Amino acid sequence: EVQLVESGGGLVQPGGSLRLSCAASGFTFSSYWMSWVRQAPGKGLEWVANIKQDGSEKYYVDSVKGRFTISRDNAKDSLSLQMNSLRAEDTAVYYCAKAGGWSRFDYWGQGTLVTVSS
Amino acid sequence: QSALTQPASVSGSPGQSITISCTGTSSDVGGYNYVSWYQQHPGKAPKLMIYDVSKGPSGVSNRFSGSKSGNTASLTISGLQAEDEADYYCCSYAGRSTWVFGGGTKLTVL
Repeated sequence: EVQLVESGGGLVQPGGSLRLSCAASGFTFSSYWMSWVRQAPGKGLEWVANIKQDGSEKYYVDSVKGRFTISRDNAKDSLSLQMNSLRAEDTAVYYCAKAGGWSRFDYWGQGTLVTVSS
Repeated sequence: QSALTQPASVSGSPGQSITISCTGTSSDVGGYNYVSWYQQHPGKAPKLMIYDVSKGPSGVSNRFSGSKSGNTASLTISGLQAEDEADYYCCSYAGRSTWVFGGGTKLTVL
């Protein structure tokens, strides 16, 4: 059974940093692109970032470029998102998602809430 | 990276069929057959319902179907059931390893 478990969310002040983690199990982690998708309170889904199987390619939505860094550790079946210079508009539930090729996010974690507020 | 356009809400009675539209551009929906749809119940993670425009994942009811014409994709739910009440999001590959979601549609089963 595929499982994705996020952790690391919490309350952080504007300008601060936070590191999210996602522990994967039930599939060959190193064989798939992985992504982060977020959802602001009461709002829709927004793709944030993704990373290739070997970590050699990383892509980001424009609003987080230069502030967020996605990474992975295939030896530990783990995905991370380092978030710096956080803004109020980054407040959201952050989901870890497994990409099924270019066409879909076929498995999702339960999400971790990040709140940016003073 | 502009969000795809979906109606804010749709409704239908049990047993009826409803269709949710998702309009993008030639750079996303119209340019690739990589449209997917997700169902999200309150407080829960999204669940994949349709991918590659019209394919259903294993375990998802065949009451859910998808299609695309030009820059607009559609999700149709037939034989509406109470448990179908949820938010629905479309998503399209947008090239250069990026994706874009729709704003979401709240489905109410009357």
